Amino acid sequence: EVQLLESGGGLVRPGGSLRLSCAASGFTFSRYAMSWVRQAPGKGLEWVSGISGSGGSTYYADSVKGRFTISRDNSKNTLYLQMNSLRAEDTAIYYCAKVIEGSSWYRIPGFDYWGQGTLVTVSS
Amino acid sequence: QSVLTQPPSVSAAPGQKVIISCSGSSSNIGNNYVSWYQQLPGTAPKLLIYDNNKRPSGIPDRFSGSKSGTSATLGITGLQTGDEADYYCGTWDSSLSANWVFGGGTKLTVL
Repeated sequence: EVQLLESGGGLVRPGGSLRLSCAASGFTFSRYAMSWVRQAPGKGLEWVSGISGSGGSTYYADSVKGRFTISRDNSKNTLYLQMNSLRAEDTAIYYCAKVIEGSSWYRIPGFDYWGQGTLVTVSS
Repeated sequence: QSVLTQPPSVSAAPGQKVIISCSGSSSNIGNNYVSWYQQLPGTAPKLLIYDNNKRPSGIPDRFSGSKSGTSATLGITGLQTGDEADYYCGTWDSSLSANWVFGGGTKLTVL
């Protein structure tokens, strides 16, 4: 059974940093591209970042480029999101999601498994 | 504003059929596969449809997807109260700065 378990969320002041983790199980982690998607309170889904199966290619939404860094440790089956220079508008539930098929982050078909999400609140 | 346009809300009675639209452009829907997600209140999104019209294992055939040109639709027949949820379309966007994009979401109310 595929499982994705996020952790690391919490309350942080504007300008602060936080690192999210997503522990994966039930599939061969390195064979799939992965992604982070967020949802601000009462709002829709927003794609944040994607990474290839090897971790060699990373991609970001313009809203987080230069502040967030996605990475993965395939030996630990874990996906990460390092978030720096956090702003109030980064407040959201952050989900990790598994790409339906393929290890390449290019013209992906979508996401078939999602974690339960972890809440990040940026406030003074 | 989302790159993909969905109606904010739709409603229908139990047992009826509803269609949710998702409009885009040639850089996204027009040249890429569309997927649909259901988000029940307080839960994570769930994949309903991928590759425009395929259903993952366990998704009932009451849910269907289609695509024509730069628009896609999600159809739900035999509506149940348990179908009340937010529905999102998503696809790859080949434009310079975008990668994956979601629609703004549609709230389905089963009256």
